[in-house]
Amino acid sequence: GAVVSQHPSWVICKSGTSVKIECRSLDFQATTMFWYRQFPKQSLMLMATSNEGSKATYEQGVEKDKFLINHASLTLSTLTVTSAHPEDSSFYICSARDPGRNEQYFGPGTRLTVT
Amino acid sequence: SQQGEEDPQALSIQEGENATMNCSYKTSINNLQWYRQNSGRGLVHLILIRSNEREKHSGRLRVTLDTSKKSSSLLITASRAADTASYFCATEPWGADGLTFGKGTHLIIQP
Repeated sequence: GAVVSQHPSWVICKSGTSVKIECRSLDFQATTMFWYRQFPKQSLMLMATSNEGSKATYEQGVEKDKFLINHASLTLSTLTVTSAHPEDSSFYICSARDPGRNEQYFGPGTRLTVT
Repeated sequence: SQQGEEDPQALSIQEGENATMNCSYKTSINNLQWYRQNSGRGLVHLILIRSNEREKHSGRLRVTLDTSKKSSSLLITASRAADTASYFCATEPWGADGLTFGKGTHLIIQP
């Protein structure tokens, strides 16, 4: 199956700093990528839809100024958590849609811990 | 996006037994997918069933879909200790791209 990577796998940062997470589709071009968040012992919640070359679409309740999404190329989307707080500590997972197969492929996730 | 419901929330069975998990959802869908997640790890895609399909098999997995009841089930036959994980259903609604995940079932297979 298609491969989607995320970097970093885990990150620990101090409260008030910003953290950037990268999501890459390695063997296909993804016009659309998605960002999900998963709190401990909970399910995944869609945060935003990232479209190459245009602004991201955020789900209700997700602050667009806090979670900056950039989809500058067909193989890369980035999520920047700005001014991170301990409550932002979570598992962030991206997925990318392969238009050729019309299927989504998930990255391995990034565990963010804000101290 | 509203989450679907899965039941049971947790299930513990003996190795070799069959495990059944159910998922209900609220909107019309394009397809429904089942994923497995080991603790603290990423998602593993198990199976996708389209809205015009009623049953699908993959190895020891059997998935059913009843669009009239907006429900799906995942059956794992002859369970193994390695099947211990959380299982999530995810729906792709018509006209939307992102997936809506259920709350998940935590499955424990006792050796």
